[in-house]
Amino acid sequence: DTAVSQTPKYLVTQMGNDKSIKCEQNLGHDTMYWYKQDSKKFLKIMFSYNNKELIINETVPNRFSPKSPDKAHLNLHINSLELGDSAVYFCASSQLAGYGEQFFGPGTRLTVL
Amino acid sequence: GESVGLHLPTLSVQEGDNSIINCAYSNSASDYFIWYKQESGKGPQFIIDIRSNMDKRQGQRVTVLLNKTVKHLSLQIAATQPGDSAVYFCAETPGGDDKIIFGKGTRLHILP
Repeated sequence: DTAVSQTPKYLVTQMGNDKSIKCEQNLGHDTMYWYKQDSKKFLKIMFSYNNKELIINETVPNRFSPKSPDKAHLNLHINSLELGDSAVYFCASSQLAGYGEQFFGPGTRLTVL
Repeated sequence: GESVGLHLPTLSVQEGDNSIINCAYSNSASDYFIWYKQESGKGPQFIIDIRSNMDKRQGQRVTVLLNKTVKHLSLQIAATQPGDSAVYFCAETPGGDDKIIFGKGTRLHILP
């Protein structure tokens, strides 16, 4: 069973489009995260939700809107995609916010043309 | 800006030798540190963690050392194997914060 799953794995789209990435965890964790990893492998947190409540929003453009319909899901919607949005996006979950092991999904490689 | 960094972007080690990956952090309020391993095409995977009230912690073939005086963290991998090839990230949690800040990563390359 996959602990943290993301769909799609690859996403290629044109500039200006709107797209969504979905994430689900079956670990029963309270906290979920979205990270962005750039071409130099730098991994930066974007958002964190704890029990469906937003607890971290790291100066991400408001074109990015996370949504947590329940504790097991955290989706990421991106409006008006730009070239600079091209990256690998990782979803993760943990039992405690900021502490303990975070379990990462396989990543979604977004390419904006 | 980020407060966690690494001394070497790429480390090449002979198979069977020990590997040491270093990390410097600048936030003296950080009280929790973690090492993650990321293999090609996969998400990061937890290796080992350490709290600031400790200076050493051992796992299976891995040891993490924490030197709070110089704000330095290291990951030692014993008897490095081909499967250890990956990018290794150190990360920290500033005390009282809910987020983990990742360092830039070090690529570990195993020589046959």
